Amino acid sequence: EAGVTQFPSHSVIEKGQTVTLRCDPISGHDNLYWYRRVMGKEIKFLLHFVKESKQDESGMPNNRFLAERTGGTYSTLKVQPAELEDSGVYFCASSQEATSSYNSPLHFGNGTRLTVT
Amino acid sequence: RKEVEQDPGPFNVPEGATVAFNCTYSNSASQSFFWYRQDCRKEPKLLMSVYSSGNEDGRFTAQLNRASQYISLLIRDSKLSDSATYLCVDARRGYQKVTFGIGTKLQVIP
Repeated sequence: EAGVTQFPSHSVIEKGQTVTLRCDPISGHDNLYWYRRVMGKEIKFLLHFVKESKQDESGMPNNRFLAERTGGTYSTLKVQPAELEDSGVYFCASSQEATSSYNSPLHFGNGTRLTVT
Repeated sequence: RKEVEQDPGPFNVPEGATVAFNCTYSNSASQSFFWYRQDCRKEPKLLMSVYSSGNEDGRFTAQLNRASQYISLLIRDSKLSDSATYLCVDARRGYQKVTFGIGTKLQVIP
């Protein structure tokens, strides 16, 4: 089966610009997550979709971040306007179940490396 | 105190060596742990779950010590291909708010 795919793999933008990241989860996975890793820090949860609904967006840093999952398929994460501290690797992941288990692991995409200059 | 703490390393070990990593967690209610492996500039991938009774998968053994609130990963007969960062994961609240450790970097040298 195709894995979680993310686009672009790299993005370099200037402060104040807008960037949109895309994630295509594994087909049939209702649960989609966004995580972020800032250099030197742990991977942090951003938000969770169940199908097209935002289940939990408590990890979103501020209102410059907007995530959508229209139709419950792919998801986008928009940063507008981007700030220097937004630089990092943005991972998307999907799972069949939201409850953690070995039978329903998190499948990660390759990540989008965002650099804001 | 961080919810999940790991020694970032790096751990440099020769091929064939046995190496162990620990990961401490702060919430005594946590029960669901995993080890993920992340290669350089790649995505994290599930390595193994951590069961309370301990579990083994080939050269890898994971254990949970509730009394001291730590989990461990033991790798026997290290291979060059084991070189990676190993992430400790507390998923007690489900994947919605999974907590990652910073990762321990392992470098197996010939």
